This record gives sequence, C-alpha cells and structure tokens, in this order.
Amino acid sequence: GDSVTQMEGPVTLSEEAFLTINCTYTATGYPSLFWYVQYPGEGLQLLLKATKADDKGSNKGFEATYRKETTSFHLEKGSVQVSDSAVYFCALSDQHSSNYQLIWGAGTKLIIKP
Amino acid sequence: DTGVSQNPRHKITKRGQNVTFRCDPISEHNRLYWYRQTLGQGPEFLTYFQNEAQLEKSRLLSDRFSAERPKGSFSTLEIQRTEQGDSAMYLCASSLDYYEQYFGPGTRLTVT
Repeated sequence: GDSVTQMEGPVTLSEEAFLTINCTYTATGYPSLFWYVQYPGEGLQLLLKATKADDKGSNKGFEATYRKETTSFHLEKGSVQVSDSAVYFCALSDQHSSNYQLIWGAGTKLIIKP
Repeated sequence: DTGVSQNPRHKITKRGQNVTFRCDPISEHNRLYWYRQTLGQGPEFLTYFQNEAQLEKSRLLSDRFSAERPKGSFSTLEIQRTEQGDSAMYLCASSLDYYEQYFGPGTRLTVT
C-alpha cells in the first residue's frame, strides 16, 4: 500500500540555519503531496502542497518540490526562526482512490535554538 | 468561517465508560474525516463521510467505535466500553471534495 517515510527527529538547529526535512513516498497511483505543521498544543495546519510532478509548494518561507523520479518531497527553508519549532508531517493523498484519505509520515520534531 | 471545531478538547474517563466526541466542519465542506493520533506518530485514518453517508471505515475502527453525521453537518464519534489503548488524540478534518483537508484542534482522550 501507499506509505510515507520521513527523517527521524528531533532536528535541532540554530536560528537562521538552513533546514531540510527529508520525505519519500511509495504510491501506486498519482498522489498529491502535503506538508502539515503541528505547533505545541495546537491542531494540524496545512503548510504547503503539490499536486503533480515538478510542482513546487511554498508558504511562509518553506518550499518543497514534488520529485517523481526520486519519489521525494523534501521540505526546505533558507533561514529558520525560533517560531518554526514544531512537528512537521509529510503526507500523501491519492486522488485516484475512493476517499482521498491522507497517508502520513511519523512526523519530524524541529527545535530551533536562539 | 471559524474553521473546524471539536469538543471537548480534553476528556478523561475510566475504563469501561462510553465517550462521545463532536466535530463541526467548515460549513461548505461535504467531506468529513476522523483520524487517531498517538504520541510520536502521524495520524491514522479511522473513517470518512461524504455528506451524511459513511463511505469507508478503517480496520482500526473496532465494533466499539461508531460515527455518525446526521444531515451532513456535524459528526459524532462514540467509543463504547473504553480501554486504555483508546487513549489518543482524535482528530477531525473536513474538505470540499478532493481538495485539501483542514483539521480541528483535536480531542485528547485519556482512559484511566
């Protein structure tokens, strides 16, 4: 079945450092790919998405490119802030399935130190 | 629109008791999903509705779990005879057809 694998955390960086969180997927269909973020004590928020190969999703300085050849959707940010500390989830949804349920990675906790 | 809301935010119950959670989706969204999330894991799909019809249930959803969405608006998730293994965050999400899902804040269940 479909699956998502993300790098294990926690990832600890200093403020203004460059961030990469790796995400790879396995899917039989044509998935859409998502990054969600969960701040402490809050619900999941959609951070960015890409619906087809070579699409780049971007939001709040974060970017991720849908790479079909490497089945990857790595999350990047050029200069992180303390306020970016959260858990980041990579997920996919196969638009050719019947219910578009989201298949999730285990999450990567990001800690940014001032 | 205030987004997806869930009540209660926290629930502590004793093993064997029944609990019911409520989810109010974004008003124009026709799809509603329930997920369960345990500590350190991503959410797991439980069930989903298109309007008032419950179209799919995960194998994770035992017979003790039941969900409804009368009139295609709010939804309830009931757990009967709770067990300690039911302790988790229960998440509700809504979407308009196949577009992105928007999540509520979740209901954290603790079974003692």
